[in-house]
Formats: sequence, structure tokens, C-alpha cells
Amino acid sequence: DAGVTQSPTHLIKTRGQQVTLRCSPISGHKSVSWYQQVLGQGPQFIFQYYEKEERGRGNFPDRFSARQFPNYSSELNVNALLLGDSALYLCASSLGSGMEQYFGPGTRLTVT
Amino acid sequence: AQSVSQHNHHVILSEAASLELGCNYSYGGTVNLFWYVQYPGQHLQLLLKYFSGDPLVKGIKGFEAEFIKSKFSFNLRKPSVQWSDTAEYFCAVKIMAAGNKLTFGGGTRVLVKP
Repeated sequence: DAGVTQSPTHLIKTRGQQVTLRCSPISGHKSVSWYQQVLGQGPQFIFQYYEKEERGRGNFPDRFSARQFPNYSSELNVNALLLGDSALYLCASSLGSGMEQYFGPGTRLTVT
Repeated sequence: AQSVSQHNHHVILSEAASLELGCNYSYGGTVNLFWYVQYPGQHLQLLLKYFSGDPLVKGIKGFEAEFIKSKFSFNLRKPSVQWSDTAEYFCAVKIMAAGNKLTFGGGTRVLVKP
């Protein structure tokens, strides 16, 4: 069975640009969560979506937004990129809200 | 706001040594507890989890963890490590009724020398 997939694998952007990251959950999973992992730290929760509705939001500015599509895949958008947005962005899927999460390989974003 | 502390940032062991990694959290209500592992070049994988019941939980690859509610702790143990256990280990806490939000500790890098 395919696990959580994320694209692209790596991305380099310039300050002020916008970026869209994509995630496909495990088949049958209806919840997707996004995390940011800065080098040397644990992942930090950004968003959770379940059945296409936002179910949770972490302490991130409004430059960060996300959505979930009818097929349960998800996109994370970050506007007006800052150097501090450089990180590994992780997507995790679960069968439902509050259930065990399975992580994808992540997208490595570098902002120059 | 809840927080998770992992007291050891780096641990270096020889093969066959015993491993114990500390994890403490700050939240007085009901929680679910997890240990995740990230092997070099791989993605986060679930080692074990505690939802309820027996506070001693067993996970994959010979790992176990003990939930001590009075100490707000969920320490990870393995009696005899192998070189292949070299990885970064993360403790995570989920508050019940808080959806899927996991709060992670800062991680512990474990190096097992052959």
C-alpha cells in the first residue's frame, strides 16, 4: 500500500515569493495535518483538515493557509516567504480526527 | 499551552547497551502519548503509542515505554540496542478533544557505535 506522498521533494524560493506544497493521504484516510520541522527541532503543528474542513490551527501567521480537496488530498500555501520559513514541511494522514497519524517524507523548502 | 521536554539532546551508546530516553509533558488532562523515530534519510515512523489501559506499552523493534501519570512522563526504553537503532527519536503528546494536533519534543539524536 502506498503511504503518504508529498510533492515536490525539494524547493528553493526567494524571499517574498509564494509556495504551494501538496500531499496525498493514505487511501481511505480522511484527515490531513501539516507540520513544520525546522532543523534541530521537533515538528510544529500548522493545520488539520478533516472532511474538507479546518479542524485545528497552530500558532502560525495568516501567510500560511491550506485546503483539502474532495479526494482528501491537501495543499499548504505560504505567501510572502521569509528566510525563517525554511524548513521541512511534513504532511500526516489519519483515518479520522484524533486517530493515529502516518507521516510522509516531507518537502524541504529553502528560502534565499 | 502544553509543552513536551526531552532532556537528552544527544546520546551515544555502544551496541548491546541499554537505552532510556526521557520525555515529560505539561498538561493536566487526558492525553495520548507517542514515540516516533526518524532513521537517517527516512520519514517519521511510529514506534509506539499509549491511549489508555496498561501504562507499559510495547512497540516495534523491541522498544517499550512506560506512562507514569503522576510524573507526567513517558520514557522510552530498549534493553539492548543495535547499530541500526541510530536515529532521532521524538516524543509527542496529543490532548484529547484537540483533534489531531501533536505537540512534539525537541528530539534526541541517538548514535549507536558498532
